[in-house]
Amino acid sequence: AQSVTQPDIHITVSEGASLELRCNYSYGATPYLFWYVQSPGQGLQLLLKYFSGDTLVQGIKGFEAEFKRSQSSFNLRKPSVHWSDAAEYFCAVGGRIYGNKLVFGAGTILRVKS
Amino acid sequence: DVKVTQSSRYLVKRTGEKVFLECVQDMDHENMFWYRQDPGLGLRLIYFSYDVKMKEKGDIPEGYSVSREKKERFSLILESASTNQTSMYLCASRKTASNTGELFFGEGSRLTVL
Repeated sequence: AQSVTQPDIHITVSEGASLELRCNYSYGATPYLFWYVQSPGQGLQLLLKYFSGDTLVQGIKGFEAEFKRSQSSFNLRKPSVHWSDAAEYFCAVGGRIYGNKLVFGAGTILRVKS
Repeated sequence: DVKVTQSSRYLVKRTGEKVFLECVQDMDHENMFWYRQDPGLGLRLIYFSYDVKMKEKGDIPEGYSVSREKKERFSLILESASTNQTSMYLCASRKTASNTGELFFGEGSRLTVL
């Protein structure tokens, strides 16, 4: 079955350190891939998305993600984390087989140490 | 600024009560969604609507119904609330039918059923 896996439930990084959040998907065709962020007490906001073309995509707030078909991954990165990045991050996958639905991963909670 | 508004941020209900969760969007979007968010499970789709008076079941529709009488408003109804429906409920809207489009989320309604 098609699915999205975020292997890390919690991650803690120091402010100023680099960040990588992992996302693996299972999908038989070309996926549409998304990263959303949920700050405390807020709804989800789109960070970036990938459909085709350049496998390195840039998003808002200094985030980027790289699509690697051979590894079925779409990891989110940021070179230097700020305290305001503390939030929960969700990877999601869409595609023709899903119709107009998205499938979300379980989320990764990011904590930032000062 | 685009906006999805969920009228109730926090609700406490008793088992067996009928519960209405209201969602309004001001973006003239055709597509609206109700998700349930639980720790470790991510977001799961309950119902969605792609037009007024149209609805489709998502992945976990049991125990829920929806109503869309006007384009801007999408209501989630728990006919007889149960304790296992204690959760965070997120409403979202999207302009396009395709799942390539960005989802815009409300801030969520946290429901506790006693």
